[in-house]
Amino acid sequence: DAMVIQNPRYQVTQFGKPVTLSCSQTLNHNVMYWYQQKSSQAPKLLFHYYDKDFNNEADTPDNFQSRRPNTSFCFLDIRSPGLGDAAMYLCATSREGRKYSYEQYFGPGTRLTVT
Amino acid sequence: AQTVTQSQPEMSVQEAETVTLSCTYDTSESDYYLFWYKQPPSRQMILVIRQEAYKQQNATENRFSVNFQKAAKSFSLKISDSQLGDAAMYFCAYRSRETSGSRLTFGEGTQLTVNP
Repeated sequence: DAMVIQNPRYQVTQFGKPVTLSCSQTLNHNVMYWYQQKSSQAPKLLFHYYDKDFNNEADTPDNFQSRRPNTSFCFLDIRSPGLGDAAMYLCATSREGRKYSYEQYFGPGTRLTVT
Repeated sequence: AQTVTQSQPEMSVQEAETVTLSCTYDTSESDYYLFWYKQPPSRQMILVIRQEAYKQQNATENRFSVNFQKAAKSFSLKISDSQLGDAAMYFCAYRSRETSGSRLTFGEGTQLTVNP
């Protein structure tokens, strides 16, 4: 089945220790998104890639970076995690274009704990 | 900027009964999409139903239907014959169709409890 896969599902890192979360998709979608979701809140968009074009949200901290080496993979790098970065990180994809309906498909998320 | 409001932080329903979740939004655009997403305790966000603003007919997916009132900027979700597996956080979301690669704007969410 076509899907959005996130690894790992649970990640524990130390305060200030860089961490990378990964997302892959078999949907051949051209747009990939990274969201941060804290408990009982709506997801907050960090950035997205439209094909190879990176689009950063204005309020995304510089501590968060992303890479998309190819269509299928996208990575979220947190350079120096703080306690406030503990959250669920959701990857989503969509197919953009006149013929498509723009819905986003979400992965299962990676729960990040910062100790 | 668009905003989405879900005025019911929590709702509950008896199994097999019907429940309606409310959503209002604010936009100056005429062409857009509206979505309802479900997020069960396992946390994977799942698309429940989609409505295209230019379509007057309300979308329906099995037990899920919407009441889309474009002039009133209202987009409620009706769940019929509620099942225990419907218990989840439900998010209403807006997406512009006028700009490519644009964001989903989410409401605050409604936590639905289904009582046996």
